[in-house]
Amino acid sequence: DTEVTQTPKHLVMGMTNKKSLKCEQHMGHRAMYWYKQKAKKPPELMFVYSYEKLSINESVPSRFSPECPNSSLLNLHLHALQPEDSALYLCASSQEEGGYRATNEKLFFGSGTQLSVL
Amino acid sequence: GQQLNQSPQSMFIQEGEDVSMNCTSSSIFNTWLWYKQDPGEGPVLLIALYKAGELTSNGRLTAQFGITRKDSFLNISASIPSDVGIYFCAGQLGNNDMRFGAGTRLTVKP
Repeated sequence: DTEVTQTPKHLVMGMTNKKSLKCEQHMGHRAMYWYKQKAKKPPELMFVYSYEKLSINESVPSRFSPECPNSSLLNLHLHALQPEDSALYLCASSQEEGGYRATNEKLFFGSGTQLSVL
Repeated sequence: GQQLNQSPQSMFIQEGEDVSMNCTSSSIFNTWLWYKQDPGEGPVLLIALYKAGELTSNGRLTAQFGITRKDSFLNISASIPSDVGIYFCAGQLGNNDMRFGAGTRLTVKP
């Protein structure tokens, strides 16, 4: 199983709503990532969890709140978003062996959640 | 910042032609990855490179990790219509920090 599964595939929300994006992998990977991708742009790193601990936060606004309940699951909680937050949100995972932050990693991506904020 | 400069931005080629694209940076990378992304989908890993000078093939795809560790290229031979998509290079600086190039949009005319 080499899949990273993201739900929902599409999400439309208002600026006052609270919603969550979910990501799951069963490859035994210990690093999980959230990326944001605007149309015709490359993915931009938002957060990295390593061994269920937040290791990278790329100065993301607090209206995005990540959570890693266990090594297989990664959530992104959304609250009071703005229309400019509309984008494809991608989850990824990588193996990260040995308990230290790896420097030779392959990232495997999910299909993404296409988010529209009205 | 540690930017990746990917070129060309777009390519329009005839089916059967070979394609070449590359990424350069002012920073040294530990790993270079090449991804393909179709509309509305996540990037799919094509080739991973770990050592300076490494040349790796995956079917009609060949990629190399530059000797200086600051660049990489991807070649596609004998292109087919399903090669259409956006190709991204990605470089790992360290500590799970993976950065992406701006992408090369490939169009293949039958």
